[in-house]
Amino acid sequence: DADVTQTPRNRITKTGKRIMLECSQTKGHDRMYWYRQDPGLGLRLIYYSFDVKDINKGEISDGYSVSRQAQAKFSLSLESAIPNQTALYFCATSAHPGTGRETQYFGPGTRLLVL
Amino acid sequence: QQQVKQSPQSLIVQKGGIPIINCAYENTAFDYFPWYQQFPGKGPALLIAIRPDVSEKKEGRFTISFNKSAKQFSLHIMDSQPGDSATYFCAASVTSNTGKLIFGQGTTLQVKP
Repeated sequence: DADVTQTPRNRITKTGKRIMLECSQTKGHDRMYWYRQDPGLGLRLIYYSFDVKDINKGEISDGYSVSRQAQAKFSLSLESAIPNQTALYFCATSAHPGTGRETQYFGPGTRLLVL
Repeated sequence: QQQVKQSPQSLIVQKGGIPIINCAYENTAFDYFPWYQQFPGKGPALLIAIRPDVSEKKEGRFTISFNKSAKQFSLHIMDSQPGDSATYFCAASVTSNTGKLIFGQGTTLQVKP
């Protein structure tokens, strides 16, 4: 089974709708991240969480919110979706940084289309 | 502000060629420089990483060259194969701080048979 899973894998929604993307991990990592990928812009950090009680904004958090329900679960919400939030969304996890422990493990992604 | 600039955006080489992808960074506090590989429909996965105390690191056909004074690092793929066709991202972080990765814009590589 995959270590980092994301649901749904694909989603089409309409402008103004609320949508939640979910991420679960079995790696036992404390740190979890949400990124969005857009062509030519690379991966940009939306939110990150270092433990259940520690949630931080990334570089593009406007229009998004997150919830860390447990060590293994981290959800991303779009409260009122807009077309420029159409993108590929990735969840990732990592252990505490230190030699050999910086690797981020990514889920398979959620492709979101906002009409 | 984009702190890691990656080029080229796309690259096409023949099988056996040596594609080179370059990244430049601004923050001199960065101390960890990974490269991630992403195949279509998949999430990125760590390919190889380097720290600034060495100028080169090899893992199989993949080599990172690091130039601290120029604040640049690059990925070389020796004897490239069609199976290397993917998108490659460089990244950088300050591990003693939050450890957040700052990614480059990505390079789409196509290796023709």
